[in-house]
Amino acid sequence: EAGVAQSPRYKIIEKRQSVAFWCNPISGHATLYWYQQILGQGPKLLIQFQNNGVVDDSQLPKDRFSAERLKGVDSTLKIQPAKLEDSAVYLCASSPTGRTEFFGPGTRLTVL
Amino acid sequence: GESVGLHLPTLSVQEGDNSIINCAYSNSASDYFIWYKQESGKGPQFIIDIRSNMDKRQGQRVTVLLNKTVKHLSLQIAATQPGDSAVYFCAENFQGGSEKLVFGKGTKLTVNP
Repeated sequence: EAGVAQSPRYKIIEKRQSVAFWCNPISGHATLYWYQQILGQGPKLLIQFQNNGVVDDSQLPKDRFSAERLKGVDSTLKIQPAKLEDSAVYLCASSPTGRTEFFGPGTRLTVL
Repeated sequence: GESVGLHLPTLSVQEGDNSIINCAYSNSASDYFIWYKQESGKGPQFIIDIRSNMDKRQGQRVTVLLNKTVKHLSLQIAATQPGDSAVYFCAENFQGGSEKLVFGKGTKLTVNP
């Protein structure tokens, strides 16, 4: 079974630029999550989708972050404009049940 | 509040020894717990889970213990190997609407040969 795919794996941008990350979850997994992981910390949930609907986006900085999951499969997370403190690893996870989550390799974002 | 913490940020053991990684959780309503292993440059990898109606669960070389009285979770790794070197996170899950996982900061395990 293929795992969660993410791209790109690394991205370096300057502050105030925009960036987008892509995630393809495990086939058949209805629930998809985006997490932000700052160095030395545990992942922090940004947004959770159930199929193509948002279940929880309470910790998503909506003034600059947006996410969508069209057709209930792939998802994109966008940051516009980026700030220095957005430097982190952005993890995508999926789950068949909404409880046990399976993670992708992450995208490491560096904002200069 | 919604927080899961870990007692020790780092743990160093000798190859072949048993490792014990501890975790304290704060939400007494949490009913599901997961241990994840995260190697450098990779996403968290599921190790083992336990539901709140259990106090012990065993996997291959790993055992998770749950003490709901003191809201404590531990991960025991038997015969620790160099490949076990990683950061270990516990995460709690509660049916508070979105059933989201809340992660702690992690414990870095280093296995010395």
